[in-house]
Amino acid sequence: QVQLQMSGPGLVKPSETLSLTCIVSGDSISGYYWSWIRQPPGKGLEWIGCIYYSGSTDYNPSLRSRVTISVDMSKKQFSLRLTSVTAADTALYYCAGGAPYSGSPFDYWGQGTLVTVSS
Amino acid sequence: QSVLTQPPSVSGAPGQRVTISCTGSSSNIGAGYDVHWYQQVPGPAPKLLIYRNNNRASGVPGRFSGSKSGTSASLAITGLQVEDEADYYCQSFDTNLRTWVFGGGTKLTVL
Repeated sequence: QVQLQMSGPGLVKPSETLSLTCIVSGDSISGYYWSWIRQPPGKGLEWIGCIYYSGSTDYNPSLRSRVTISVDMSKKQFSLRLTSVTAADTALYYCAGGAPYSGSPFDYWGQGTLVTVSS
Repeated sequence: QSVLTQPPSVSGAPGQRVTISCTGSSSNIGAGYDVHWYQQVPGPAPKLLIYRNNNRASGVPGRFSGSKSGTSASLAITGLQVEDEADYYCQSFDTNLRTWVFGGGTKLTVL
């Protein structure tokens, strides 16, 4: 059974970079799409982007200019970087994994990390 | 504003049946992309409930069922139980936006 363990700071200052990491255990990191999803307080879910083990990525157009998702096969982890954050980026961030095709369901979820953007 | 439209809330008494709709367009559900449903209780991450329109995820009771027709999909819950009280989200893919898309979520209250 795949398990995802997230890590990263819960507080980021405005204009700085948000960085989160998700470690995959229980199965190989290859063969899945690995995504980042966020949920602002009291709001719905927003897909941020995804990466395949090969390194190919796809991003939400609304965030593309500020987002980078990377994968480290040797450490079985993938990471999110979101630059120039503002208060609007305050949200519960999740990492998630699913089958490698467009529109696949998210079978596996990390525990979630609340990231607050504040000085 | 979400690409997929869900009612903000639904409610029902224990034992009753409720349905939650998810309305999309010709660039997502209507384009043939599957619809998946998630249940989110306060605290934990969302849990996959229904995948590929009408398939229950492992461990999901038979009281939950999904369907899809045209540009819409529905989640039905029969024999409502108190523990079903949660937020429910639909999810698909939009070929114009090239993104995974979610509905805005529906809060189910069991009266």
